Amino acid sequence: RKEVEQDPGPFNVPEGATVAFNCTYSNSASQSFFWYRQDCRKEPKLLMSVYSSGNEDGRFTAQLNRASQYISLLIRDSKLSDSATYLCVVKNSGGYQKVTFGTGTKLQVIP
Amino acid sequence: DAGVIQSPRHEVTEMGQEVTLRCKPISGHNSLFWYRQTMMRGLELLIYFNNNVPIDDSGMPEDRFSAKMPNASFSTLKIQPSEPRDSAVYFCASSLLVPGSILTGELFFGEGSRLTVL
Repeated sequence: RKEVEQDPGPFNVPEGATVAFNCTYSNSASQSFFWYRQDCRKEPKLLMSVYSSGNEDGRFTAQLNRASQYISLLIRDSKLSDSATYLCVVKNSGGYQKVTFGTGTKLQVIP
Repeated sequence: DAGVIQSPRHEVTEMGQEVTLRCKPISGHNSLFWYRQTMMRGLELLIYFNNNVPIDDSGMPEDRFSAKMPNASFSTLKIQPSEPRDSAVYFCASSLLVPGSILTGELFFGEGSRLTVL
């Protein structure tokens, strides 16, 4: 089983729609969680951290469910500019706190 | 700040040739990561340096791959000899990790080096 798993998509949604992505992780000792965004042919960039109590940043909401070992990202009122690949990132505990990326979920927002 | 700088941005080479990719991390960052990205496998961690010391190289595919970090401002990833299956985008990222902190510093990526081995 992969350490971090995501549905690759693509998710094709109309402008203004709400869309949610899930990500599961295998290591129950994982400590920190993040969502990165990667535009086509660009480098990944941090979108937001994911906190235990859940957190919101404008139209974006991130949730963590430790019992089920998954994190989610909700995007409300989708914009064309939200089209990108969203990477789930998990940081494990232990020696040097390894950072592992999921393979990403592709989102295409359609006019 | 100029961000993480990688070179070359694109490299096309023939099988068997040596390839050297270069990275200059953000000044003040103490951690450097080399990742490889392909459509099939996504972002794979190749090697991680902390304070210029290789900490985890378990992701390095085989002996053909080697990485060095001679000082805090420079790192290289070398492939010798290169093979067509090495074709990918290679990203370098740097971060400031605080010892004992459970919060990893944000990873800042360079623009990547797109390698094509014919």
